[in-house]
Amino acid sequence: KQEVTQIPAALSVPEGENLVLNCSFTDSAIYNLQWFRQDPGKGLTSLLLIQSSQREQTSGRLNASLDKSSGRSTLYIAASQPGDSATYLCAVRPKSGGGADGLTFGKGTHLIIQP
Amino acid sequence: AAGVIQSPRHLIKEKRETATLKCYPIPRHDTVYWYQQGPGQDPQFLISFYEKMQSDKGSIPDRFSAQQFSDYHSELNMSSLELGDSALYFCASSLIGIGETQYFGPGTRLLVL
Repeated sequence: KQEVTQIPAALSVPEGENLVLNCSFTDSAIYNLQWFRQDPGKGLTSLLLIQSSQREQTSGRLNASLDKSSGRSTLYIAASQPGDSATYLCAVRPKSGGGADGLTFGKGTHLIIQP
Repeated sequence: AAGVIQSPRHLIKEKRETATLKCYPIPRHDTVYWYQQGPGQDPQFLISFYEKMQSDKGSIPDRFSAQQFSDYHSELNMSSLELGDSALYFCASSLIGIGETQYFGPGTRLLVL
């Protein structure tokens, strides 16, 4: 059974810092990996999706990398801002014959950016 | 851009009652997923549908059922509600074969008293 772990569970840093969030998964047979942002009591906003054949994806100040063989992904946030404060979730989709596989989520990293 | 629509946004029910949650996917998306997120928990996958057929099944209780209709909207039916069913229920949609990013709706917050 796939297990996804995110480290750290919580992080508080001053505004302007660059930071790295980590995600690891136990089964490397994945189809893709998605990073999400969730504000308290709200829905999930997709940030980046990395296909299993890709090494990284970038969107603005965000960069996500994937090392499938070692079961790891990182989300790099450059020049952090108070508006980046949220919970960041990593989720993997299994590699199977089906087309609509459910995602397995990590428990998230709760990020606070201090003004 | 159009997003996933869920209704109702909030729902309060008594134990042993039934509830129906609705999900309208992004236009032209052919796949719908349902997830349950308990307080302080990560989202747990329940069930998915592709082209109106059940595709993948997760930890959906036998008391719950779901279907996808001809217009691609989906409904999650929950019977014999229990206190532990109180959670945020998310619907997500995607287009198989095109990126396949799952886009999530705002969720339905269900409270069972």
